Amino acid sequence: SAVISQKPSRDICQRGTSLTIQCQVDSQVTMMFWYRQQPGQSLTLIATANQGSEATYESGFVIDKFPISRPNLTFSTLTVSNMSPEDSSIYLCSVVVGGIDTQYFGPGTRLTVL
Amino acid sequence: RKEVEQDPGPFNVPEGATVAFNCTYSNSASQSFFWYRQDCRKEPKLLMSVYSSGNEDGRFTAQLNRASQYISLLIRDSKLSDSATYLCVVNLRGGGADGLTFGKGTHLIIQP
Repeated sequence: SAVISQKPSRDICQRGTSLTIQCQVDSQVTMMFWYRQQPGQSLTLIATANQGSEATYESGFVIDKFPISRPNLTFSTLTVSNMSPEDSSIYLCSVVVGGIDTQYFGPGTRLTVL
Repeated sequence: RKEVEQDPGPFNVPEGATVAFNCTYSNSASQSFFWYRQDCRKEPKLLMSVYSSGNEDGRFTAQLNRASQYISLLIRDSKLSDSATYLCVVNLRGGGADGLTFGKGTHLIIQP
């Protein structure tokens, strides 16, 4: 597995503002993902963070709302832009280590938008 | 059919008992299956992969039934520490790490 850290661990934000979440891995990984887990729900994939190119977004998620950076093989950021209360959620990054699609998750960022 | 479906529970089980729950999936071409465990306010952690032949890890046994498109998780001699939400995860796209779909989870409570 890998050691994955996220910053911040939690935040409370005002609507209309933006928050950037960082994900750091202790080893180089090819595949890195961002998920959202809304209250009482399971995980939903937002996008695949591609190193050196634009992220690949899932249906229902767009770059203007969730811009992603992946400057190298150990780091990525997800920005939640122009936030509304509906964006209140836990945001998790994950990486693939070892197996083809076995994913390991960071501790998550708990976001509350007022 | 929902893509990955689980009974949300909660399953209230006395300590030491055996408990089993299933998960159904929609795509017969799916190739990868997992069980993750998620504790309250924590990230999901891989419990075990599910292989075609079934697999066992200590008190935990996972099985795959392709014909009926479900996977199962059996926990024997349950411990208080087994209390958690168990997420069924299936690669519905057949391959590639971006194809994982998570069920909503089954909530398990082990009672003393």
